[in-house]
Amino acid sequence: DTGVSQDPRHKITKRGQNVTFRCDPISEHNRLYWYRQTLGQGPEFLTYFQNEAQLEKSRLLSDRFSAERPKGSFSTLEIQRTEQGDSAMYLCASSLQETQYFGPGTRLLVL
Amino acid sequence: QKEVEQNSGPLSVPEGAIASLNCTYSDRGSQSFFWYRQYSGKSPELIMFIYSNGDKEDGRFTAQLNKASQYVSLLIRDSQPSDSATYLCAVRGGGADGLTFGKGTHLIIQP
Repeated sequence: DTGVSQDPRHKITKRGQNVTFRCDPISEHNRLYWYRQTLGQGPEFLTYFQNEAQLEKSRLLSDRFSAERPKGSFSTLEIQRTEQGDSAMYLCASSLQETQYFGPGTRLLVL
Repeated sequence: QKEVEQNSGPLSVPEGAIASLNCTYSDRGSQSFFWYRQYSGKSPELIMFIYSNGDKEDGRFTAQLNKASQYVSLLIRDSQPSDSATYLCAVRGGGADGLTFGKGTHLIIQP
């Protein structure tokens, strides 16, 4: 499979715990994006990397959220001290130019 | 703040008919426009993108863009039950690389 992959696909955690998600983009894609989607809403942009540089962050990305792409390949999104409001689908997308292709997402449930 | 508006539906269309999905956007600086399809519980899947005013056709799908009216539409010809999904309109530009999505239109194709 040469598409975007995400791991884990599902995560259940207790409030206050830290969680980390991983995204592996399509191999030749230098741009990587993170989005969050809640039920009945469209995806909301969180942050964007071009190679290893984080070029754009949404105001939705609070201090509890941090993303990295250390070698310009895979990326991680960490949420510290999770809250129930963090429950959502976390989507990763990658692109070479304009068109973004999405991975299957990581569904997070915070109890 | 950039906004993308879609009628949430549901929009019910008989099998074989033309489904027409509409989207308006607030930022005149927007440059690229995308339609994604999302099945329940799955991630968004790219259908089409359009950059220039006018129509763009790809198989049964036609995207239409009118920048003066800040309006994008998607026509689906010969609608099939498998087209039943949520259709997300997304906009890029105005100095940002992340996509701004609408809430999506839920389309139901009636056999």
